[in-house]
Amino acid sequence: GESVGLHLPTLSVQEGDNSIINCAYSNSASDYFIWYKQESGKGPQFIIDIRSNMDKRQGQRVTVLLNKTVKHLSLQIAATQPGDSAVYFCAGLSSGTYKYIFGTGTRLKVLA
Amino acid sequence: DAGITQSPRHKVTETGTPVTLRCHQTENHRYMYWYRQDPGHGLRLIHYSYGVKDTDKGEVSDGYSVSRSKTEDFLLTLESATSSQTSVYFCAISESGREGETQYFGPGTRLLVL
Repeated sequence: GESVGLHLPTLSVQEGDNSIINCAYSNSASDYFIWYKQESGKGPQFIIDIRSNMDKRQGQRVTVLLNKTVKHLSLQIAATQPGDSAVYFCAGLSSGTYKYIFGTGTRLKVLA
Repeated sequence: DAGITQSPRHKVTETGTPVTLRCHQTENHRYMYWYRQDPGHGLRLIHYSYGVKDTDKGEVSDGYSVSRSKTEDFLLTLESATSSQTSVYFCAISESGREGETQYFGPGTRLLVL
């Protein structure tokens, strides 16, 4: 079946360092992916998206990389700040439907 | 932030009682979704709506029903609440449901079924 998953439940990073959060997807998952940020007690917030015809997409301090060969995508956050502390998860749009499949999330902790 | 509100934000109820959660949007978006979020699981789709009176089931729809009588409101009803339905419930909206169009999420409703 379709699945989207994240590699690590928790990631601790020193303030100012770069963060890399990973996500894998299955064979029949989507051609379109979104990364979300979720702060404690709040709903998920869109960060960046990428289509399968792209390998890389950059936003403000964030970059998403897509490796279709190994069915893997990553979110890179440059110069991680305390405000980046949150749970991050990826979502794939289920092919042929309007239904997203969500990963379980990685908690990013920024150490001062 | 997208204009999405959920009510109530917190609720404690007893097993066997019906519960209705409300999602209200001011964006006039066509698609609305209900998800539940539990530890160890990603967000899981319960039901979604693609227009007034048009709804469809998600992956975890058993024990839940929905209604959408107006574009702006999407109601989720737990017909007879069970402890397994203790969760955080999120509503989301999207303009047309097409690929490349993100979903915007509400603040969530935390439900505890005793």
